[in-house]
Amino acid sequence: EDQVTQSPEALRLQEGESSSLNCSYTVSGLRGLFWYRQDPGKGPEFLFTLYSAGEEKEKERLKATLTKKESFLHITAPKPEDSATYLCAVPDSDTGRRALTFGSGTRLQVQP
Amino acid sequence: NAGVTQTPKFRVLKTGQSMTLLCAQDMNHEYMYWYRQDPGMGLRLIHYSVGEGTTAKGEVPDGYNVSRLKKQNFLLGLESAAPSQTSVYFCASSPGTSYEQYFGPGTRLTVT
Repeated sequence: EDQVTQSPEALRLQEGESSSLNCSYTVSGLRGLFWYRQDPGKGPEFLFTLYSAGEEKEKERLKATLTKKESFLHITAPKPEDSATYLCAVPDSDTGRRALTFGSGTRLQVQP
Repeated sequence: NAGVTQTPKFRVLKTGQSMTLLCAQDMNHEYMYWYRQDPGMGLRLIHYSVGEGTTAKGEVPDGYNVSRLKKQNFLLGLESAAPSQTSVYFCASSPGTSYEQYFGPGTRLTVT
């Protein structure tokens, strides 16, 4: 069964305090790992796709990395506007429906 | 280019009432999805469609029906609402050439 686990559930940082969020996955035949950002009361917004171990993607203060069993979202010198819930997802093993299995998310709060 | 839109944004129903949620996308995407999001449980797939005129069940389809008569629209129906269907509902679409999904803003439904 496809499984995605994110940790920690919640993280509180001071502005400028760097940290990492973890996403571990179990899926047969990885066809990508996706990171989304979700602000309160809004839909998830796509951030990155990673396809192979060792791959890295960056966007502003965010950098996503991928290994064979997990992905990390590194946040460097965060600002209050980085506060959001970050979701990761992997494609289902059932390739026909091209659906994603999501983790429960990490709720990040960055205090000024 | 509005992306994915959902109506209504909020709705309160009484147990046993019915309603339809509308999702529209203007990106000419083949695949469309309905998810529900509950605290601590992440996004769960209700139903999906791989093209106009097709629908299929996801992980939690009971109590819901869907239709996709036009490529750009995907409707989610609740025939007899139950308190367990209190949730936030998200629609998403995908081109099908990749697994990336683009989400609407969500509908917050409360069933009393």
